[in-house]
Amino acid sequence: GNSVTQMEGPVTLSEEAFLTINCTYTATGYPSLFWYVQYPGEGLQLLLKATKADDKGSNKGFEATYRKETTSFHLEKGSVQVSDSAVYFCALSDPVSTSGTYKYIFGTGTRLKVLA
Amino acid sequence: NAGVTQTPKFQVLKTGQSMTLQCAQDMNHNSMYWYRQDPGMGLRLIYYSASEGTTDKGEVPNGYNVSRLNKREFSLRLESAAPSQTSVYFCASSESGATILKANVLTFGAGSRLTVL
Repeated sequence: GNSVTQMEGPVTLSEEAFLTINCTYTATGYPSLFWYVQYPGEGLQLLLKATKADDKGSNKGFEATYRKETTSFHLEKGSVQVSDSAVYFCALSDPVSTSGTYKYIFGTGTRLKVLA
Repeated sequence: NAGVTQTPKFQVLKTGQSMTLQCAQDMNHNSMYWYRQDPGMGLRLIYYSASEGTTDKGEVPNGYNVSRLNKREFSLRLESAAPSQTSVYFCASSESGATILKANVLTFGAGSRLTVL
């Protein structure tokens, strides 16, 4: 079945450092790919998404490119801030053929801690 | 504000007790979902509902039942709670349908933290 694998955390960086969180997927067909972020005590919220190969999603300085050849969707940010400290989840959409809806499969999450 | 509302936010149960987690969305979304979040396991799908009147099992449905009461509401019931069901539960919704060719964004509630003693 479809699956998402993302790097183990926690990731600890100093403010203004470069961030990469790796995400690879296994899927049949052409899923959409997502990054969600969860701040302490809150639900998940969408950070960015990409719907087809070579699409680049971007938001709040974060970027990720849908790479079909390497089945990857790595999250990057050039200069992290303390406020970026959160848990980041990679996810893909898995269509349910009989109903026109989708299931969403999540990775295990990567905790990011940014130090001032 | 538009979004997904879950109640209660916190609940402590004893083994064998029952309870229902409530979820409502006001975005006119067709699809609704229940996930559980556990350390090191990410989010795992318990049940989902593609539309009003339909429900389907996800990855970890055992020990749970759901009801899609109407388009807005999707409840999750634990009939006989077990310590293994201690978790944070998230409800989510998404616009979907046969005419929507690509998956849409999930909107999540704030979560319900359940402890079973």
